[in-house]
Amino acid sequence: QVQLVQSGAEVKKPGSSVKVSCKASGGTFSTDTLSWVRQAPGHGLEWMGGIMPMSGRPNYAQKFQDRVTISADKSTSTGYLDLRSLRSDDTAVYYCARERVVGNDWYFDFWGRGTLVTVSS
Amino acid sequence: DIQMTQSPSSLSASVGDRVTITCRASQGITKYLNWFQLKPGEAPKLLIYSASTLQIGVPSRFSGSGSGTDFTLTISSLQPEDFATYYCQQSYSYPRTFGPGTKLEIK
Repeated sequence: QVQLVQSGAEVKKPGSSVKVSCKASGGTFSTDTLSWVRQAPGHGLEWMGGIMPMSGRPNYAQKFQDRVTISADKSTSTGYLDLRSLRSDDTAVYYCARERVVGNDWYFDFWGRGTLVTVSS
Repeated sequence: DIQMTQSPSSLSASVGDRVTITCRASQGITKYLNWFQLKPGEAPKLLIYSASTLQIGVPSRFSGSGSGTDFTLTISSLQPEDFATYYCQQSYSYPRTFGPGTKLEIK
């Protein structure tokens, strides 16, 4: 059974950065794709980007391209989301999710429990 | 980017009702459409992938259909635990995009 364990809640000042981690167990970390999805209060789910640890190449949503870095450490099966220049509208729950590939089917089957990031002065 | 829309945005129904939620993609995505259930304080739960394949462990009252641009999620007989928000998501191309959600409430 795949488990994704995320780091704890963060409170940050506007303009600062936050780094959220996601430790995976029970799966094939290197060959899966790990994505980050957020949900701001009163809003829906928003894909920010993902990475396949084997290749190390991230893929970002254009909206976040200038402010986000997604990385992965194969040695510890841990993925990271680094978001810079935080604004109040970055206040959200940030989820990591495994995107499984089976044949031509791609789907987010396992999710972390989410990390609340609050941006407030 | 592929834009996803859902209707209705909210829905009131009773236990035992049959409900259908519609999702539309801004361009053809063949069968690459997934459905999630989200409850407050919980992680999203995959219900259906590739338009119609039920994820392991998901009750058979959930079903999905469609291809191309138009898709539906049907719950055949609502149970109390089904009251939640439902999202569609396309996995045809990057960036992955979600619909705005359908909130299913108790009547």
